[in-house]
Amino acid sequence: DTAVSQTPKYLVTQMGNDKSIKCEQNLGHDTMYWYKQDSKKFLKIMFSYNNKELIINETVPNRFSPKSPDKAHLNLHINSLELGDSAVYFCASSDRQGEKLFFGSGTQLSVL
Amino acid sequence: AQSVTQLGSHVSVSEGALVLLRCNYSSSVPPYLFWYVQYPNQGLQLLLKYTSAATLVKGINGFEAEFKKSETSFHLTKPSAHMSDAAEYFCAVSEGNAGNMLTFGGGTRLMVKP
Repeated sequence: DTAVSQTPKYLVTQMGNDKSIKCEQNLGHDTMYWYKQDSKKFLKIMFSYNNKELIINETVPNRFSPKSPDKAHLNLHINSLELGDSAVYFCASSDRQGEKLFFGSGTQLSVL
Repeated sequence: AQSVTQLGSHVSVSEGALVLLRCNYSSSVPPYLFWYVQYPNQGLQLLLKYTSAATLVKGINGFEAEFKKSETSFHLTKPSAHMSDAAEYFCAVSEGNAGNMLTFGGGTRLMVKP
């Protein structure tokens, strides 16, 4: 069983579109995250979500919004996609903030 | 605030040679420190972590790291490189029990030559 699964694996879309990436974890963890990895492999935290508390990295544009229907899911919605949004997006979860992270396999987003 | 610096974005070693990947951190409180590995087209996997117990931490695949407070370092080593060790390695820090999110370094790509 995959611990943290995210779909789709690849997403190719046009500028201006709205898209979503789904993430599910079956580890019973309380905290979930979204990370963005750019073309130089730099990993940047976007959001952390714990017990309905959302912590947002202030550098993330408000076109990005996480949605958590329940503890096991944290989806990422992106509005009005821009070229600079092209990256690999990783979902992750942990038992508590600051502890070991379990990562999904990533979603490669290409905005044309 | 916490931060991580990984010296050397690329490291190349021969198979069987020592692997040394450097990581320096800054943290205002006692840190938790982590090394993660990322194989091509995969998510990150934890190699090892330090959480204020023994300063020499052993991880998976023969890797280990030593926490040196005086040098604010947490370098990753392996005595003998395998071809399968070729990957991207990330050092990360969190501010221990403060429960802050992990901050990652910029990554080091390890290449292993036959």
